[in-house]
Formats: sequence, structure tokens, C-alpha cells
Amino acid sequence: NAGVTQTPKFQVLKTGQSMTLQCAQDMNHEYMSWYRQDPGMGLRLIHYSVGAGITDQGEVPNGYNVSRSTTEDFPLRLLSAAPSQTSVYFCASSSEGLSYEQYFGPGTRLTVT
Amino acid sequence: DAKTTQPPSMDCAEGRAANLPCNHSTISGNEYVYWYRQIHSQGPQYIIHGLKNNETNEMASLIITEDRKSSTLILPHATLRDTAVYYCIVYGGSQGNLIFGKGTKLSVKP
Repeated sequence: NAGVTQTPKFQVLKTGQSMTLQCAQDMNHEYMSWYRQDPGMGLRLIHYSVGAGITDQGEVPNGYNVSRSTTEDFPLRLLSAAPSQTSVYFCASSSEGLSYEQYFGPGTRLTVT
Repeated sequence: DAKTTQPPSMDCAEGRAANLPCNHSTISGNEYVYWYRQIHSQGPQYIIHGLKNNETNEMASLIITEDRKSSTLILPHATLRDTAVYYCIVYGGSQGNLIFGKGTKLSVKP
């Protein structure tokens, strides 16, 4: 199993540009989530999904959209990038919910200039 | 609001036990204590979790006090590869997210 994969690993955007961060898992996990981590900070939940077709907001959802059309994929879209969205983004999945062991991807390092 | 309090940093000699404390004095009866760690720039890694009984797995042991207001993660024989930020998280499943605070930066030294 590849586990949780994220692409790209690095990305530089200009203010106002849009892009999609990709996340995929091959463990047939129902639950997937997106976090961001700023320097010296812990992780903050952006959006999460409890299954295909179901998504919900986390702690810091503004400026981001998600969709879950398949069990495997959970893309995160930045609608109009801002410098405040410069961060490291982690995707995670778990078999039975956020309260169970979560498997994290390697992260995407995003810089918005 | 952070539900847990951890020291910002700790040192441990290689081969010795690393004992990482966590205070969670407002923990509710249905909330579990989780531990994750994050090795430099990588995604967090699950270590262990427990409700009120002590737990042990191949990575670590978790000791929870009888009143459940604090816990200790024990790495029995720390290695240089255990150098990481360790997060103690309290979660009961009623809210939507695990709250990762700033954690404890453990430095294992030769």
C-alpha cells in the first residue's frame, strides 16, 4: 500500500491564483481530512469528510473548498490564493473516524507571494 | 482552546527512557488521550491512545493517572530517531477535530 499520497510536494503561487492540492489513499478509509501547519504551530483542521459525498468544515475553512466524489480522493482547492495561506498542508485518513489512528501524508509546502 | 498542557521541550539521553508529561485537567469522562509525533517536516505519526487504563504497544507506553487529569508517554529506550515533536491530544469524538497544540520537542542526544 502507498498509504496517503499528496501532490505536489512544493508549490509557489501568486496572490489571486487558484490551485488544487491532491490527496489520495489506498486503504479504503472512509474518513479523510485536511490540516494546515504554520511555522512553530500545531496543526489546524481545514475540512474533513466522513465518506464519499459528505464533507464538513473544520477550524479554519475560509478560502478553501473540498469535495469527495470517491472514497480514495479528497482534493483541496484554493479559490484565490493569499499570502496568509502560505503553509504546509497535510492530508490524513482513518478507518473509523477522527478519533481513531490517522495516517498522514508527506505534506505539500505552499508559498503564496 | 487548548485542552492539554505540555512542556515546550525536553532532552533525553540515547538508550534511556523518555518520559513525556501531559496535563489535561478538564478532560471529560468520554474523552480519550492520544499521542502523535512529528519528525522534522514529515506528517504526524500516531503513537498510542487510551481512556483510563495504561496502554502499551510496540512504540510506547501510556500511563494515565487514576483521576485522568494527567498522563505520561514513555519511550522505553529512546534512540536518535525518536527526536521529534510529541503531541498530546484529548478527543471524545463529539467535535469535528483533533486539536494539535504546540507539543513537546524531544531531543534525544548521544
